[in-house]
Amino acid sequence: AQSVTQLDSQVPVFEEAPVELRCNYSSSVSVYLFWYVQYPNQGLQLLLKYLSGSTLVESINGFEAEFNKSQTSFHLRKPSVHISDTAEYFCAVSYNNAGNMLTFGGGTRLMVKP
Amino acid sequence: KAGVTQTPRYLIKTRGQQVTLSCSPISGHRSVSWYQQTPGQGLQFLFEYFSETQRNKGNFPGRFSGRQFSNSRSEMNVSTLELGDSALYLCASSLGGTSSHEQYFGPGTRLTVT
Repeated sequence: AQSVTQLDSQVPVFEEAPVELRCNYSSSVSVYLFWYVQYPNQGLQLLLKYLSGSTLVESINGFEAEFNKSQTSFHLRKPSVHISDTAEYFCAVSYNNAGNMLTFGGGTRLMVKP
Repeated sequence: KAGVTQTPRYLIKTRGQQVTLSCSPISGHRSVSWYQQTPGQGLQFLFEYFSETQRNKGNFPGRFSGRQFSNSRSEMNVSTLELGDSALYLCASSLGGTSSHEQYFGPGTRLTVT
């Protein structure tokens, strides 16, 4: 069965420090990879995606993620976080043979401290 | 372009009752997926509808059902509610084609079963 693992359930970090949220997936087929962010009492917002092409993808608010096929990873990074980045982040995988079904990791709560 | 809308946003029901949740996708999107989010199980895929047909189904009992209308709006129904059905139910829409894997989520319906 396909699975997505987010290794850290919580990541505390000081404002303006760099952060990495880790994501690994199990797969032997083509995958599409996503990071979603969820603020309290809201739905999920698509942060960035890897569908094909360049393995490094970026979002408009400074996050980036790199698809590493050999390590089956898709870690999320930001060089300098802000208080407003405090939220829960979910890594998700869609497999080429599974339509639009997303398999999610357990989530990582990013807590940015002043 | 308006986003995904879900109604109602909050719902309180009693064990044994049934409930219907509604989702209106982004204009032009033909695929609607439903997910259940709970603190214990995280985000789990329920089912996906495309062109009024169920295209994928997750591992949930038959009490959970759905349908999609010709205008792509979707409803999900849960019969004989159990306490464990308390959750945030999220709807997501996408274009739905074979090369479309980006899903956009609504704000969710929070269901509380007492």
